[in-house]
Amino acid sequence: NAGVTQTPKFRILKIGQSMTLQCAQDMNHNYMYWYRQDPGMGLKLIYYSVGAGITDKGEVPNGYNVSRSTTEDFPLRLELAAPSQTSVYFCASSPSGRGDGYTFGSGTRLTVV
Amino acid sequence: EDQVTQSPEALRLQEGESSSLNCSYTVSGLRGLFWYRQDPGKGPEFLFTLYSAGEEKEKERLKATLTKKESFLHITAPKPEDSATYLCAASDGGYNKLIFGAGTRLAVHP
Repeated sequence: NAGVTQTPKFRILKIGQSMTLQCAQDMNHNYMYWYRQDPGMGLKLIYYSVGAGITDKGEVPNGYNVSRSTTEDFPLRLELAAPSQTSVYFCASSPSGRGDGYTFGSGTRLTVV
Repeated sequence: EDQVTQSPEALRLQEGESSSLNCSYTVSGLRGLFWYRQDPGKGPEFLFTLYSAGEEKEKERLKATLTKKESFLHITAPKPEDSATYLCAASDGGYNKLIFGAGTRLAVHP
């Protein structure tokens, strides 16, 4: 099993550009999450989804959008990139909402210049 | 405001020198307390979930415990391969959303 796959691994964007971070899981997990990790800070929840067609905001959703058209895929869209969005982005999934540990992807390191 | 605080920020141990990492939380209605291990350049890896005060879980040289205000990750006779950042997280409600601490960077030297 591949688990959770994130692409790309690295990306440099110019201010104002847009991009989509891809996330796919092959474990048939209903719950999926996007977090960002900044140096010296805990991971912060951006968006989450409890199933295909259902998404909701987390703690830091501004500047991002998501969609969940299938159980497997949960892409994160950045519109009008800003330097404050420079971070490492992690996608994660879990089978249910009842205390299961997450399976994380390997992350996307994004730099906005 | 719900919060998770980890201490120390960094810890250096000699191989075989046991120690503990602390995670204090202020979360109303705790649904679960989680520990993850993160190696450089990789995503976090799930270790344990604790649900109620007094609960303990073990995995190899690691043992996690939980009280009403904090959790400890005890590392017994650590080896260099235990070097990593250890993350603590709390779930305060439904949908398994987590509030993470900033982590403890552990370095174990031979």
